[in-house]
Amino acid sequence: IAGITQAPTSQILAAGRRMTLRCTQDMRHNAMYWYRQDLGLGLRLIHYSNTAGTTGKGEVPDGYSVSRANTDDFPLTLASAVPSQTSVYFCASSVASGANVLTFGAGSRLTVL
Amino acid sequence: GQNIDQPTEMTATEGAIVQINCTYQTSGFNGLFWYQQHAGEAPTFLSYNVLDGLEEKGRFSSFLSRSKGYSYLLLKELQMKDSASYLCAVKDSNYQLIWGAGTKLIIKP
Repeated sequence: IAGITQAPTSQILAAGRRMTLRCTQDMRHNAMYWYRQDLGLGLRLIHYSNTAGTTGKGEVPDGYSVSRANTDDFPLTLASAVPSQTSVYFCASSVASGANVLTFGAGSRLTVL
Repeated sequence: GQNIDQPTEMTATEGAIVQINCTYQTSGFNGLFWYQQHAGEAPTFLSYNVLDGLEEKGRFSSFLSRSKGYSYLLLKELQMKDSASYLCAVKDSNYQLIWGAGTKLIIKP
């Protein structure tokens, strides 16, 4: 089934640990995005990639890094997790940057203690 | 700053009609979007408006007034499966999406 796969679905992590959230899409979309969703707030963009080999910072990039080695994969890394990074993380993609429709993954729920 | 406002929660009855409002203040405008998000699931695209007026898609319609910075999502013949959060988002002058916090819609039998 075409779409976006995120892993893990849920994770509890000790503060200070390193964590990578995985995101893979099979739609050959050029643009990919990482958002976090917190109660009472709108989705906030962490990082994005307009095409393989390029990345950019979104609204809340501090404490996160991404890479885009190929079209399909867009992992998000927390180098040293802090409790404020407790959130639900959504990976999304679109045909191209600026395209009107985003396709989202099912989300990764991360708890940092 | 940029801001998207929508009600936090609404309740409606199965079979009825509900209107979810969204007001926005953004630096530029390149389209307004509505997404549906069931609890614990991913947001899914519902509609896109870039010109003033009403866009109808089955039981769902979306309206836009750019001069008023206002949109609404109209859901007709409500079904229990319509219980979800509805997210309003605006694409600004930099083509970045600004998201509202979402409106949780509760449908009662």
